Amino acid sequence: GESVGLHLPTLSVQEGDNSIINCAYSNSASDYFIWYKQESGKGPQFIIDIRSNMDKRQGQRVTVLLNKTVKHLSLQIAATQPGDSAVYFCAEGGSTLGRLYFGRGTQLTVWP
Amino acid sequence: DGGITQSPKYLFRKEGQNVTLSCEQNLNHDAMYWYRQDPGQGLRLIYYSQIVNDFQKGDIAEGYSVSREKKESFPLTVTSAQKNPTAFYLCASSRQGARSTEAFFGQGTRLTVV
Repeated sequence: GESVGLHLPTLSVQEGDNSIINCAYSNSASDYFIWYKQESGKGPQFIIDIRSNMDKRQGQRVTVLLNKTVKHLSLQIAATQPGDSAVYFCAEGGSTLGRLYFGRGTQLTVWP
Repeated sequence: DGGITQSPKYLFRKEGQNVTLSCEQNLNHDAMYWYRQDPGQGLRLIYYSQIVNDFQKGDIAEGYSVSREKKESFPLTVTSAQKNPTAFYLCASSRQGARSTEAFFGQGTRLTVV
């Protein structure tokens, strides 16, 4: 079955530094990948997505990279701010209609 | 404002009781989902529905039941058969058949067994 995992459960960075959150997936049939941000006690919020036919996609201060050869994607956050502190989930979709598969999440903590 | 609303935010249940969590959306989305989240864990799919009057089991459906009588509503019942119901429950919705990048989440219901 599908599995989506994260390399590190926690990440601490200094304010202003860049953050990189990694995610591994196992299903080659995945058609798209999504990053969500979840603040404490709240529901996940969509950050950015990428389709399997792309290698890179940029948003506002965020970049997602997809390496299909090693089944790995990453989320890069530029100039990390205290408001970026949250749990970040990667999710994989497309292999089963209507379903997303989530990883465990990485807790990002930004220090002033 | 369009969105997805879960209620209540906090819910306490005595052992042996059934409880129902509400999820309502006014986004005109066809698909709706229920996820369970435990501390330090990702989201696990309980049930999902891609159209009114139809729903499918997710990965951890045992001890839960749902209904989808209206497009806007997808209530989740946690039955007494669910042995460890204490968790954070999240409801989501998306356009049917579309990429789930359109998935929107509610703010969650925290259920505690007392």
